[in-house]
Amino acid sequence: KQEVTQIPAALSVPEGENLVLNCSFTDSAIYNLQWFRQDPGKGLTSLLLIQSSQREQTSGRLNASLDKSSGRSTLYIAASQPGDSATYLCAFNQAGTALIFGKGTTLSVSS
Amino acid sequence: DAGVIQSPRHEVTEMGQEVTLRCKPISGHDYLFWYRQTMMRGLELLIYFNNNVPIDDSGMPEDRFSAKMPNASFSTLKIQPSEPRDSAVYFCASRLAGGFGELFFGEGSRLTVL
Repeated sequence: KQEVTQIPAALSVPEGENLVLNCSFTDSAIYNLQWFRQDPGKGLTSLLLIQSSQREQTSGRLNASLDKSSGRSTLYIAASQPGDSATYLCAFNQAGTALIFGKGTTLSVSS
Repeated sequence: DAGVIQSPRHEVTEMGQEVTLRCKPISGHDYLFWYRQTMMRGLELLIYFNNNVPIDDSGMPEDRFSAKMPNASFSTLKIQPSEPRDSAVYFCASRLAGGFGELFFGEGSRLTVL
């Protein structure tokens, strides 16, 4: 069964700290890996998408990497801000199939 | 573009009643997905469509659940009869077939079955 594991489940950091969120998946034959953000009571917002041929993607203070051989992805957030507080979800899919999601890491950034 | 639009945003109903959730995907998107989110199980795929045709409905929990996509701009998820354990947030999402395949979500429909 394909699974996505995210560690830690929750994380609290002071403002300004750099942090890494981890995601591991069971299937190396991935097509896409996508990181999302979810605010309480809201839908999911796509942050970064990494195709299987890529190793990383960057958007502003966010950097996501993909290592298919080890079945891991990381989301790096630089200089964290209170506005970054949210749940971050990782998901992957094979070609033409639906995304399979982890349960997320809930991040709290204190000012 | 208005994004993926879901209705209703909130639904409270009593056990045994029929519930219909609605979704309008982003115009031009070929794939439509229905997910359910609970604290215990996270986000679970229920069913997805490609060009209005159901591709994988293995995640639909029981025969009480059904989904349709009569055209490219509308889909429904129906629960009949509803049960308290169906209480969850139901999300609809859509994406293009090719390119990056980035998935876009609606705001969700929060269902409470009493």
